[in-house]
Order: sequence, then C-alpha cells, then structure tokens
Amino acid sequence: ETGVTQTPRHLVMGMTNKKSLKCEQHLGHNAMYWYKQSAKKPLELMFVYNFKEQTENNSVPSRFSPECPNSSHLFLHLHTLQPEDSALYLCASSRGLAGGNTQYFGPGTRLTVL
Amino acid sequence: QKEVEQDPGPLSVPEGAIVSLNCTYSNSAFQYFMWYRQYSRKGPELLMYTYSSGNKEDGRFTAQVDKSSKYISLFIRDSQPSDSATYLCAMRFGSETSGSRLTFGEGTQLTVNP
Repeated sequence: ETGVTQTPRHLVMGMTNKKSLKCEQHLGHNAMYWYKQSAKKPLELMFVYNFKEQTENNSVPSRFSPECPNSSHLFLHLHTLQPEDSALYLCASSRGLAGGNTQYFGPGTRLTVL
Repeated sequence: QKEVEQDPGPLSVPEGAIVSLNCTYSNSAFQYFMWYRQYSRKGPELLMYTYSSGNKEDGRFTAQVDKSSKYISLFIRDSQPSDSATYLCAMRFGSETSGSRLTFGEGTQLTVNP
C-alpha cells in the first residue's frame, strides 16, 4: 500500500450505532488530519494531530471522537450520529504543520447516517 | 462572508479549450496557495502549489497568485476529457504557530467534452 489509505470506503449506519473510520499513511509523515466534505460546501477541517498529539479541534461535536495511536494511524470513532453527519470523511497527512508542507489525502469514507 | 470564494460551476468546455478557474479570498495573511483536483469518488490530489504572488507553470497547468487583488487562478491549456474533475482552491498561513489549517473554496466542477 502506498500513500494514504482509508477503510471502509462506504459505511451506512443508524443513529444509534457505533462505528469507526480508519486511516493509515505510508509516507512517513508526522501530522494527520480529518476533514468533512459535504455536498455544496467547502472541505471542513475537523481534527489535527502532530506526533500523535491533538493540536486542533475545530469545534467538532463530541459524537465524533478521534484517536491517534501513532503517527501512521488515525481513527474517527462515531456514535449517536445525526443524518446531517452524512458526508465524505477524508483523512490527510503531511510531513509537518508549517505552511510549506503539502497535505496528501486518502480516498475518503462515504458515510450515510439513516 | 466566506474566507474563500469559488464559483462552483458547473463549467463545460470542448476538448482543446483553455480553461480558467478562479478564487478570491479575504484574509491577506494567506501565504501558500494550492489547487487540488478531485475525481469522482476519490480524495483530492495536489495539482499546483505556489508561495506568495507570481506564476508557476507545470505542463499544461499554470497557477497565478495576485496577492494585491486577493485573487488566484488556475489555467489549463489544451484541455482533455481526463481533466474532467472538481478543482478545489486552498490556502493557508505560513507559520506552524499560526496553525496548519487549509481553507478551501467550494470547488468548481469541470467537464471537458470530447
């Protein structure tokens, strides 16, 4: 595997379910990100991790819980979601946080909340 | 007012046409400017990256940044059907202390017709 991988690619869940999204980067990067992409809206940054430590939480509801056990893996734990949470969830990674570092994106997980 | 404005299109052009995609922004502190291309059901991939004002050319693609006007452009020469995708502009501040946040435009959906 190369680049940034995400599993599952598609997920359908009920409002009472608990599920997790997984992201893995094979680029040796130190920073990882979760973004939400909804139709007709710009990508929204959700969380940022650098060297496994969370550096940004963009006022995300607590029903989204991130976990970063090491610099290569990032999880997004989901519970008690709402239908408006249906979106494409994208993971990205970069070598560092400074402005010159390129963010590389995974293919995303298409989430549908019923 | 959105920090980054981008016409969502859709934009439809014949093969071989010159395509011009644009974004305007309001925060003069942005220093790094990027264009991402996103194919259907895929994550965004970095296409062009520029720092501050000026032009950058890569094959059929040219990125322009005009910081005085807070305006960035992406030109695609000799457009091909394979260029059909959504094009996202993105920008960020420079230093690590100011955060790693990428601010995206809404994206312009481009179709190049054979």
